[in-house]
Amino acid sequence: LAKTTQPISMDSYEGQEVNITCSHNNIATNDYITWYQQFPSQGPRFIIQGYKTKVTNEVASLFIPADRKSSTLSLPRVSLSDTAVYYCLVGPDLGGGATNKLIFGTGTLLAVQP
Amino acid sequence: DAGVIQSPRHEVTEMGQEVTLRCKPISGHNSLFWYRQTMMRGLELLIYFNNNVPIDDSGMPEDRFSAKMPNASFSTLKIQPSEPRDSAVYFCASSFWLSYEQYFGPGTRLTVT
Repeated sequence: LAKTTQPISMDSYEGQEVNITCSHNNIATNDYITWYQQFPSQGPRFIIQGYKTKVTNEVASLFIPADRKSSTLSLPRVSLSDTAVYYCLVGPDLGGGATNKLIFGTGTLLAVQP
Repeated sequence: DAGVIQSPRHEVTEMGQEVTLRCKPISGHNSLFWYRQTMMRGLELLIYFNNNVPIDDSGMPEDRFSAKMPNASFSTLKIQPSEPRDSAVYFCASSFWLSYEQYFGPGTRLTVT
């Protein structure tokens, strides 16, 4: 199972673009990369998922280099409400049933200040 | 839609007692997931179902843990007997077709004394 490494914390200011990088050196060919956001006392919330290159949705972009050993979540123009923990999860197609103890990493606490 | 519903929101029990956590997935979702979150171990996937059938239970820590999904709108996670190390927040999530795009419930905070 691919282990992920993220910075423990990051600071930013309102209106700035924030990039959070996740390292996953032993990612498998059939693994996908998914990012979640979690506020205190709430369940995680899906942000974005990708396999390779770049994916963009209405809230974020995900950049994945060709070797797929890392990925970067990009949040454009953050606001105070983006203060949360962000998790990078690497895992296989769930339909295969071989998740072998899928565990989220420690996450990155993003603190956005005025 | 009301989102994923979990009950109870908080549970305090004594070691050795049976604990049952309940989950109602979002209507129309056919996949359901159970997670556990602690400070020490982070967020772990315990078991998941597709169309009410368990697909992967490799994350279930011990035989004391069991999960069922008798129909598309209800699932339970049971711990019998409970131990203090089972204290955690247990999340239920649902999705379409075994997707990582999951919708999480508010969680059940379990404390075993």
